Amino acid sequence: GENVEQHPSTLSVQEGDSAVIKCTYSDSASNYFPWYKQELGKGPQLIIDIRSNVGEKKDQRIAVTLNKTAKHFSLHITETQPEDSAVYFCSASGGSYIPTFGRGTSLIVHP
Amino acid sequence: DAGITQSPRHKVTETGTPVTLRCHQTENHRYMYWYRQDPGHGLRLIHYSYGVKDTDKGEVSDGYSVSRSKTEDFLLTLESATSSQTSVYFCAITPGTGSYNEQFFGPGTRLTVL
Repeated sequence: GENVEQHPSTLSVQEGDSAVIKCTYSDSASNYFPWYKQELGKGPQLIIDIRSNVGEKKDQRIAVTLNKTAKHFSLHITETQPEDSAVYFCSASGGSYIPTFGRGTSLIVHP
Repeated sequence: DAGITQSPRHKVTETGTPVTLRCHQTENHRYMYWYRQDPGHGLRLIHYSYGVKDTDKGEVSDGYSVSRSKTEDFLLTLESATSSQTSVYFCAITPGTGSYNEQFFGPGTRLTVL
């Protein structure tokens, strides 16, 4: 089955800095790579996703890149703000509707 | 927000007692999932359903059973709760159509087994 590794587990940055979270996956059949943000006391919520036919996608301050050859994808947050502090999960799935999640990254943005 | 509710939101119980958690959706989505979230382990799939009365096991299904008698409800039962089942439980849904399906998560249930 699919295996998703996510790094780092904790990331601490100063407000205004950039943050990068990286994930690798094992199943070359995976074709959908969403990122979820989980705020304290809430369920995860999709913030951006990328499909296997696209190399990069941006939405304001967040972007995701995908390297299918190397089987890794990354989340980039620019100009971080305190409200970006949360746990972020990457995920990978193919056509089975059973996603595999990374173990999460706790992002702390210091004012 | 996707129409997903979970009940109860918090529960404290004792070892050996049965516990049932409920997930209710108003989106008419085909797929429903139960996950548990523990520090250092992320989200781990317990069971999922791909239709009424159609369920299958996830990676951490031991000690758990599920039922789905209606499209909108997915129940998770701990037949005899153990302290290792203390966790935060999330229900999720996805349409199950097309090739790319994001998951929509409920607010979670915090379960403590003493």
